[in-house]
Amino acid sequence: QVELLQWGAGRLKPSETLSLTCAVYDGSFKNYYWSWIRQPPGKGLEWIGESHHSGRTIYNPSFTSRVIISVDTSKSEISLELTSVTAADTAMYFCARGNDFSWGHWGQGTLVTVSS
Amino acid sequence: QSALTQPASVSGSPGQSITISCTGTSSDVGHYNYVSWHQQYPGKAPKLIIYGVNNRPSGVSDRFSGSKSGNTASLTISGLQADDEADYFCSSYTTTYIYIFGPGTKVTVL
Repeated sequence: QVELLQWGAGRLKPSETLSLTCAVYDGSFKNYYWSWIRQPPGKGLEWIGESHHSGRTIYNPSFTSRVIISVDTSKSEISLELTSVTAADTAMYFCARGNDFSWGHWGQGTLVTVSS
Repeated sequence: QSALTQPASVSGSPGQSITISCTGTSSDVGHYNYVSWHQQYPGKAPKLIIYGVNNRPSGVSDRFSGSKSGNTASLTISGLQADDEADYFCSSYTTTYIYIFGPGTKVTVL
């Protein structure tokens, strides 16, 4: 049974860096792409980017200048860093496993609130 | 890349069928058969119910079905049940190698 467990700071001030980590429990970490997707309160989903253990990483152009997604194969973990956050970055952030150009397994979500 | 277009809400009575549309462009929905649909309850993570336009993951009810015509994909829920009341999001892979979502459709069971 695949399980994605995520954690990270839930409250940030403007200009700080958002940092989240997602651990994967099932042993098939290397076979998939791993995405971060966010959802502002009451709004729709937004794909941030994805990364593969091979190093291939793709970002949504809306975030390219301030996002880093990385994978640690030894720990089966995926990380998200988003710099210079503003109130517009307030959202629930999800990690998700990519397969067949969709996401069949999701983390539980981490609410990140940006406020001064 | 613009978001996909979905109706804000769709409603139906128990037992009826409803269809949710998802309109994109020739650079996303119309280009690839990589449209997926997710169901989301309030406060929960999305759940994949359709991938590759019309494929159901193991364990998903066959009351959910997907299709596509041109730049518009559709999700049909047949035999509507009370626990189908949720938000439904479509997504598509695009020719610029990114994914885009629709704004979501709220399904209400009358």
